[in-house]
Amino acid sequence: GQNIDQPTEMTATEGAIVQINCTYQTSGFNGLFWYQQHAGEAPTFLSYNVLDGLEEKGRFSSFLSRSKGYSYLLLKELQMKDSASYLCAVREGDYKLSFGAGTTVTVRA
Amino acid sequence: IAGITQAPTSQILAAGRRMTLRCTQDMRHNAMYWYRQDLGLGLRLIHYSNTAGTTGKGEVPDGYSVSRANTDDFPLTLASAVPSQTSVYFCASSPGLAGGNEQFFGPGTRLTVL
Repeated sequence: GQNIDQPTEMTATEGAIVQINCTYQTSGFNGLFWYQQHAGEAPTFLSYNVLDGLEEKGRFSSFLSRSKGYSYLLLKELQMKDSASYLCAVREGDYKLSFGAGTTVTVRA
Repeated sequence: IAGITQAPTSQILAAGRRMTLRCTQDMRHNAMYWYRQDLGLGLRLIHYSNTAGTTGKGEVPDGYSVSRANTDDFPLTLASAVPSQTSVYFCASSPGLAGGNEQFFGPGTRLTVL
């Protein structure tokens, strides 16, 4: 089974940087995903990490440390449209994707 | 290109009734999934299918059944709905099982069981 923890809420100012942490406990780790979900909409894929290190994709970066069971999603140059929930998900084995409860980020002007 | 479609968008259902949520994808993805999303609990896997003709149980399968007669369709059936099945249901698909295959989500079905 999975135990995935991430903060419930975070607030930041437009133009700032926010880091969303995710810790997990699992056996058979096979990748970590971050998804973005706007209110009332479906989750959309942001990033994927399977090896230790940083993956950068525009304003978003994701980091993974497998030995520590830890990941973070870094959002830079925050924009109002970045207000959403961010879901950390861990894949165990071939298919099973387990999600954290999500972190709601509110961007203020 | 539609991607993944779900129907209905929302539904209010009396307890005890049978209900089938429909999911269709046009991306020829092998794997498909059904999740429910409840406030504070995140997305939880109900059932999945590796490929047409096969299905498996996820984290919360009780009260639900699925079938995968072909690649495109993956319906979810509630045989006798109960109020605890009130939730938002998301169907998802991915190209396969291995590698960094991201899952693509449908728009969701909001189900209320009274």
